[in-house]
Amino acid sequence: KQEVTQIPAALSVPEGENLVLNCSFTDSAIYNLQWFRQDPGKGLTSLLLIQSSQREQTSGRLNASLDKSSGRSTLYIAASQPGDSATYLCAVSPNSNYQLIWGAGTKLIIKP
Amino acid sequence: GAGVSQTPSNKVTEKGKYVELRCDPISGHTALYWYRQSLGQGPEFLIYFQGTGAADDSGLPNDRFFAVRPEGSVSTLKIQRTERGDSAVYLCASSRTGGLVNEQFFGPGTRLTVL
Repeated sequence: KQEVTQIPAALSVPEGENLVLNCSFTDSAIYNLQWFRQDPGKGLTSLLLIQSSQREQTSGRLNASLDKSSGRSTLYIAASQPGDSATYLCAVSPNSNYQLIWGAGTKLIIKP
Repeated sequence: GAGVSQTPSNKVTEKGKYVELRCDPISGHTALYWYRQSLGQGPEFLIYFQGTGAADDSGLPNDRFFAVRPEGSVSTLKIQRTERGDSAVYLCASSRTGGLVNEQFFGPGTRLTVL
């Protein structure tokens, strides 16, 4: 059974720092991995989608990497801003299935 | 264009009552998903529609939960005899065709509180 873990559960850093969020999964046979952002009281916003054949995706200050063999993905945020404060979740599409299996998220606070 | 919308945004009900939660997907998206998210946890899959039919309802926790999508667009999640443990945020998502590489777009969710 696929399990997704995100560490740390919460992170607080000063504005301007670069930071890395971690996601690990137990079954390396995935089709894709997505990183989402969730703001309080709002829905989930997809940030980056990495297909299983890819090793990384970039969007602006965000870079997500994928290492299927080790069951790990990282989300790198450069030059963090207070507006980046949110909960970040990763989710995988497991082999032969379309539904998303989710981590519990990392709550990120960027201090001005 | 318009994103996924869900109504109501908040629903407070008493234990034992019946509730309906509505989801309007992005126009033209054939796949629709329902998830449930408890506080401090990631979403949990409930059911997936491809068109009008439920392609996978294996995530529904018990027979008190039911969902329909009669015209392949709007979907309604129905919960009978609500229990306090049903309290959660119910999220709806849609994607263009479903399947393994399609990106899912989420609505803001309905926060259900069962007293």
